[in-house]
Amino acid sequence: KAGVTQTPRYLIKTRGQQVTLSCSPISGHRSVSWYQQTPGQGLQFLFEYFSETQRNKGNFPGRFSGRQFSNSRSEMNVSTLELGDSALYLCASSLGTIVGIYNEQFFGPGTRLTVL
Amino acid sequence: AQTVTQSQPEMSVQEAETVTLSCTYDTSESDYYLFWYKQPPSRQMILVIRQEAYKQQNATENRFSVNFQKAAKSFSLKISDSQLGDAAMYFCAYRRERGSTLGRLYFGRGTQLTVWP
Repeated sequence: KAGVTQTPRYLIKTRGQQVTLSCSPISGHRSVSWYQQTPGQGLQFLFEYFSETQRNKGNFPGRFSGRQFSNSRSEMNVSTLELGDSALYLCASSLGTIVGIYNEQFFGPGTRLTVL
Repeated sequence: AQTVTQSQPEMSVQEAETVTLSCTYDTSESDYYLFWYKQPPSRQMILVIRQEAYKQQNATENRFSVNFQKAAKSFSLKISDSQLGDAAMYFCAYRRERGSTLGRLYFGRGTQLTVWP
């Protein structure tokens, strides 16, 4: 079974541009979560999607948005990029988080975004 | 809000020796999961071990075991017979078992483990 894939793996943008990152979950998984990892702030939760609906959202400005498609693939978009958006963006997929049932979250390899 | 604290930014261990990484957390919930993740230089986040809060028995996975102290809100990871491949950043993480944010992982800042030959 193929793992979680993220594209692109590396990206360089300049301030003010926008960027779209993609995450393809493991086949059959319906939940996708996104995390930002930086040396200064560590791992921070961005949002979670389940069956095309945003279920949770972290404390990020409105420049950060996401969506999920009917095939469970997810994209996140960052508009008006700032230097501080330089980070490793990780996505994780699972069957879905259901009360009383443990479903493991599997992480992708990440997208390294550099903003110049 | 849930917080996870790892007080050891760096640790080192000799190959074949044992090392313990510390983690404390703060929550008002009674049902939750705790995890240790490993992130090697490849940046791929790998689940090492998990613990359900309702289980009194400490989880073990081969050379990896935890010491879960629910009342003290402490969750340490012991790595026995350390191997060079264990060198990585280790993250402690918390996840609620119920509620609106149950899919969200709360991470500590990580402990960088170095393994010396």
